[in-house]
Amino acid sequence: EVQLVESGGGLVKPGGSLRLSCAASGFTFSSYSMNWVRQAPGKGLEWVSSISSSSSYIYYADSVKGRFTISRDNAKNSLYLQMNSLRAEDTAVYYCARGDPYSSSPIHFDYWGQGTLVTVSS
Amino acid sequence: QSALTQPASVSGSPGQSITISCTGTSSDVGSYNLVSWYQQHPGKAPKLMIYEVSKRPSGVSNRFSGSKSGNTASLTISGLQAEDEADYYCCSYAGSYVVFGGGTKLTVL
Repeated sequence: EVQLVESGGGLVKPGGSLRLSCAASGFTFSSYSMNWVRQAPGKGLEWVSSISSSSSYIYYADSVKGRFTISRDNAKNSLYLQMNSLRAEDTAVYYCARGDPYSSSPIHFDYWGQGTLVTVSS
Repeated sequence: QSALTQPASVSGSPGQSITISCTGTSSDVGSYNLVSWYQQHPGKAPKLMIYEVSKRPSGVSNRFSGSKSGNTASLTISGLQAEDEADYYCCSYAGSYVVFGGGTKLTVL
């Protein structure tokens, strides 16, 4: 059974940093692109970042470019999101989502974790 | 990276069919057959219902179908059931990134 479990969320002050993790199991992690998608309270979904299976291709939404860094460790079946210079508008539930095994680009997301809440507030 | 346009809400009675539209541009929906649809119940993670415009993942009911014409994609749910009441989001590849719609709340009357 495919499982994605996020961790690392919490309360952080504006300008602060946070590192999210996503532990994957139940599939060959190293064969799939992986993604972060967020959802602000009461709002819709927003794609944040994607990384290809071998980390060769990395993509970011304009809203986080230069502040967030996606990475993965295939040996540990783990995905990460380093978030710096956090702003109030980054407050959201952050979901880890599995991508397509045949594409290095974000296309669709077939499995999602339950999400981890990041709150940016003073 | 502008959001796709969806109606804020749609409704239907059990057994009826409804269609949710998703309008983009020639840079996203109109250029790629890479539209997907997600169902999200309150407090839950999204679930993939349709990918590549009209393909259904294993385990998704055949009451759900997708199509596309020009810059507009559509999700049709036939034989509405109470459990279909949820938020629905479309998503399109736009060349190195994806863009979501604003979401549509489906109410089963």
